[in-house]
Amino acid sequence: GAVVSQHPSWVICKSGTSVKIECRSLDFQATTMFWYRQFPKQSLMLMATSNEGSKATYEQGVEKDKFLINHASLTLSTLTVTSAHPEDSSFYICSARRSGATGELFFGEGSRLTVL
Amino acid sequence: QKEVEQNSGPLSVPEGAIASLNCTYSDRVSQSFFWYRQYSGKSPELIMSIYSNGDKEDGRFTAQLNKASQYVSLLIRDSQPSDSATYLCALQGTSYDKVIFGPGTSLSVIP
Repeated sequence: GAVVSQHPSWVICKSGTSVKIECRSLDFQATTMFWYRQFPKQSLMLMATSNEGSKATYEQGVEKDKFLINHASLTLSTLTVTSAHPEDSSFYICSARRSGATGELFFGEGSRLTVL
Repeated sequence: QKEVEQNSGPLSVPEGAIASLNCTYSDRVSQSFFWYRQYSGKSPELIMSIYSNGDKEDGRFTAQLNKASQYVSLLIRDSQPSDSATYLCALQGTSYDKVIFGPGTSLSVIP
């Protein structure tokens, strides 16, 4: 199978602090990873596409300076929420696509962020 | 018009019945289509992928794609209470494109 691990699974932080979420593909290489955000009872909203060795591509309306994405290797992408505020509280989910493959995404377990 | 549309539900079916979930999309260049299942508080898991017109069966699940009419559906036969979840329709344009998700349909299977 294709396993994607996300850490931490939940985090509580104070307003103004930064939080880093890691996404790892455990048994395959992922040239491309995707970061989604999901608010309660809503669908997944794509935030950005993370490409190994290059800058991430952000969706319209997503602040790239607030949501820092780094994809330094073929198995790791990180999302840092900088200067978090209560409105950033959400379920953040990463997904990965096998290098050279198309289509099917494999999702991490998700990270639930609560900003106090 | 939204890119991917689904009935939000909730859709309720009795145990053992067939659940029918529908999805329409607006982008004609979409080539790959997926159905994901998401339990409350969990991340999505892939159920089916379909790339060409017609039906694709996998166990109790059948995906149907009609590109001319721009719809894709998922049938769940012999529905079980464990099938109760939100089902997300997703599509991708050309190869290596991002995957866009619909709003999801909540399914409840009543014992």
